[in-house]
Amino acid sequence: GAVVSQHPSRVICKSGTSVKIECRSLDFQATTMFWYRQFPKQSLMLMATSNEGSKATYEQGVEKDKFLINHASLTLSTLTVTSAHPEDSSFYICSAPGGQGSEQYFGPGTRLTVT
Amino acid sequence: QQQVKQSPQSLIVQKGGISIINCAYENTAFDYFPWYQQFPGKGPALLIAIRPDVSEKKEGRFTISFNKSAKQFSLHIMDSQPGDSATYFCAASRNINSGYALNFGKGTSLLVTP
Repeated sequence: GAVVSQHPSRVICKSGTSVKIECRSLDFQATTMFWYRQFPKQSLMLMATSNEGSKATYEQGVEKDKFLINHASLTLSTLTVTSAHPEDSSFYICSAPGGQGSEQYFGPGTRLTVT
Repeated sequence: QQQVKQSPQSLIVQKGGISIINCAYENTAFDYFPWYQQFPGKGPALLIAIRPDVSEKKEGRFTISFNKSAKQFSLHIMDSQPGDSATYFCAASRNINSGYALNFGKGTSLLVTP
């Protein structure tokens, strides 16, 4: 099946720094990708929809200036957490609709810890 | 607001038993209903999915039952095994082919005891 990768798998950063997370569709093109955040023992909450060639669409309550999304190509979307704070520590997961759009494929997630 | 409501929050089943997780939704525009399995520290993996034109779909030990009029769907895991212990999420989406995002339930933590 289709594969979505994320890099890095884990990252620890200091408060005030920025962190970039990459999401790649390895064997298919994705004009749309989704970014989710998951806190421990909770569900996945949609943060934003990443659109290739246009601006991302953010969910209500998600600060677009803090969570910068760039859909640089048909196989790559990046999420940059700017000026990270400890409350941004979470599991960030991306997904992309498959080649036929029939299902969504999820990346393995990125564990962000802000100290 | 939670567009998909999932229950129970946690479930303990003996090996060989049947695990049943239920979900309900309100948005009649939803037309794609997947179930995901997630192990700690991993991304969700698609288990099985159904569209509203069928009432049941079975893949191996996993079965989705779908009741369109009640706006409910459930996952049945037959002959549950300890390796099935994980968190299960139901989800719903509309126009999946157009790339709409999934709306997830809150998840069910399943423990299958030996």
